[in-house]
Amino acid sequence: DTEVTQTPKHLVMGMTNKKSLKCEQHMGHRAMYWYKQKAKKPPELMFVYSYEKLSINESVPSRFSPECPNSSLLNLHLHALQPEDSALYLCASSQFSILFTKNIQYFGAGTRLSVL
Amino acid sequence: KNEVEQSPQNLTAQEGEFITINCSYSVGISALHWLQQHPGGGIVSLFMLSSGKKKHGRLIATINIQEKHSSLHITASHPRDSAVYICAVPSRGQGNLIFGKGTKLSVKP
Repeated sequence: DTEVTQTPKHLVMGMTNKKSLKCEQHMGHRAMYWYKQKAKKPPELMFVYSYEKLSINESVPSRFSPECPNSSLLNLHLHALQPEDSALYLCASSQFSILFTKNIQYFGAGTRLSVL
Repeated sequence: KNEVEQSPQNLTAQEGEFITINCSYSVGISALHWLQQHPGGGIVSLFMLSSGKKKHGRLIATINIQEKHSSLHITASHPRDSAVYICAVPSRGQGNLIFGKGTKLSVKP
């Protein structure tokens, strides 16, 4: 099983809503990532969890709140988002910790988020 | 911070043509990744390579560590190869990736 599963696939939310994105992998991977991707741009790293600890936070606004409840699950909690936060949110996982530079990342299909 | 440059940005080819996409980077690395993203979002890792050449089906990736350059080749291209191809390198001392801007490939029947 080399699958990273993201739910939901699509999400429309208002600026006052609270929602969560979910990412799950059962490959025993030790690092999990959240990326944001705008149209026609490469993915931008948001957060990295390594061994369930937040290792990298790329100065992401606090309206995005990551959570790693266990080694298989990664959530991204959304609150008071802005229309410019509309994007494709990608989750990825890799076998080894973030300190290992030869990690292959396995990506989920993404959640397409629209903020109205 | 490593800078990753890809060329061309856009590429249109006829079915059957041989395709080359180039990637150059500024700082020495332990490995380089080639990724494929189809319309709709999902990203697939095609290759991770540290030296020489790797082949998978009709895809070939090469890297020249001294010249800080890698190429992705597609032989006998097919419309299903139409996608964005992204080159990525590890961030200095860490495993998270720095992405190139991608090459959008369209293969016409």
